[in-house]
Amino acid sequence: EAGVAQSPRYKIIEKRQSVAFWCNPISGHATLYWYQQILGQGPKLLIQFQNNGVVDDSQLPKDRFSAERLKGVDSTLKIQPAKLEDSAVYLCASSLGGRINNQPQHFGDGTRLSIL
Amino acid sequence: GQNIDQPTEMTATEGAIVQINCTYQTSGFNGLFWYQQHAGEAPTFLSYNVLDGLEEKGRFSSFLSRSKGYSYLLLKELQMKDSASYLCAVTRTGRRALTFGSGTRLQVQP
Repeated sequence: EAGVAQSPRYKIIEKRQSVAFWCNPISGHATLYWYQQILGQGPKLLIQFQNNGVVDDSQLPKDRFSAERLKGVDSTLKIQPAKLEDSAVYLCASSLGGRINNQPQHFGDGTRLSIL
Repeated sequence: GQNIDQPTEMTATEGAIVQINCTYQTSGFNGLFWYQQHAGEAPTFLSYNVLDGLEEKGRFSSFLSRSKGYSYLLLKELQMKDSASYLCAVTRTGRRALTFGSGTRLQVQP
């Protein structure tokens, strides 16, 4: 099966500019996650969708970050305006969903964002 | 709150066995995942433990003790390609999102 697709692979912008990332999850996966991974750290959840609804966005800096999954499939994550501390890899993951917690999440290769 | 601790770095020799430990303090703990992440690549799923005990999958095994808040990943017959970061992550009851530790960078030497 095709994996989680993300684009772009790399992005370099200046601080205060805006940027958007795109994710296409594995077909049939109802749950989609965006994680931020700063160099040397583990991924940190930004937002979780179940179909097209937000399940958890408690760690999303809502003054600058936004995300949507309008049709319950693809998702976009936007940062506006970007700060230097946003330099990180942004990982998208998906899982089947449902009631069982043990379904592994499948990750995309991520978008490496550098803020100048 | 949540706190997950792993050693930052480990070094081991090709063909040997290495154990990577993870301790956690998580309210509402449900289960624990191990992921492997090569530099510049996506994390890939290795194992999942929800009950106490050992889960074996080929060269990789994972152990969980819920009462001690402790897990380890055991890698046998180490190969050079096992050089990677190993991420311990927990889930909480009713929530599927993962909370990760900072990862353990394993270097396998000839």
